[in-house]
Amino acid sequence: DTGVSQNPRHKITKRGQNVTFRCDPISEHNRLYWYRQTLGQGPEFLTYFQNEAQLEKSRLLSDRFSAERPKGSFSTLEIQRTEQGDSAMYLCASSLDSGGVYNEQFFGPGTRLTVL
Amino acid sequence: AQKITQTQPGMFVQEKEAVTLDCTYDTSDQSYGLFWYKQPSSGEMIFLIYQGSYDEQNATEGRYSLNFQKARKSANLVISASQLGDSAMYFCAMSANAGGTSYGKLTFGQGTILTVHP
Repeated sequence: DTGVSQNPRHKITKRGQNVTFRCDPISEHNRLYWYRQTLGQGPEFLTYFQNEAQLEKSRLLSDRFSAERPKGSFSTLEIQRTEQGDSAMYLCASSLDSGGVYNEQFFGPGTRLTVL
Repeated sequence: AQKITQTQPGMFVQEKEAVTLDCTYDTSDQSYGLFWYKQPSSGEMIFLIYQGSYDEQNATEGRYSLNFQKARKSANLVISASQLGDSAMYFCAMSANAGGTSYGKLTFGQGTILTVHP
């Protein structure tokens, strides 16, 4: 078990460019989550998948954001036409759905995005 | 909707002493889970402890315990015998079955920065 991995760890881009982040969850986990964390704040939920199905999206996820999880394994989060307000740490987490309230999520190291 | 409130932006504690980090929550759900995570300066989120809304006893994990007061909607984290390595940001979070959908997202508070002095 190698844990949740995210690539790249850091991304610097110019405003208006598109960026894509990748998350590889713990292999037996069927759920995958994306969160965004700005400096000094707690993570904010963006979206989550159960297997390949995207079950919930936050209002924070504007039309410029899209996430996929083909084949229920890794996931990608794409931001189109980046804005300076998109600068944040993007965290991925995974969990094994128990069907109940216990939902321990294992987090990756995050991708820090800086939009110039 | 769920809401987590952490009213202590920063806390200081002397090494080897105990410290309590406050967390209050708001939800209309009867079944929910409360979590505490630690985030060191390196950035990774580390799971510490969990309390279910129907658990009758307060959760404990080593030096961590959760003081769960359901009627007051509080879930404070108690760290005993603080160590220098406990210096980090601490987040309280909730998972709830909002509207009958599955327990998915975690809702986090704003966090408390804990500094342990030698």
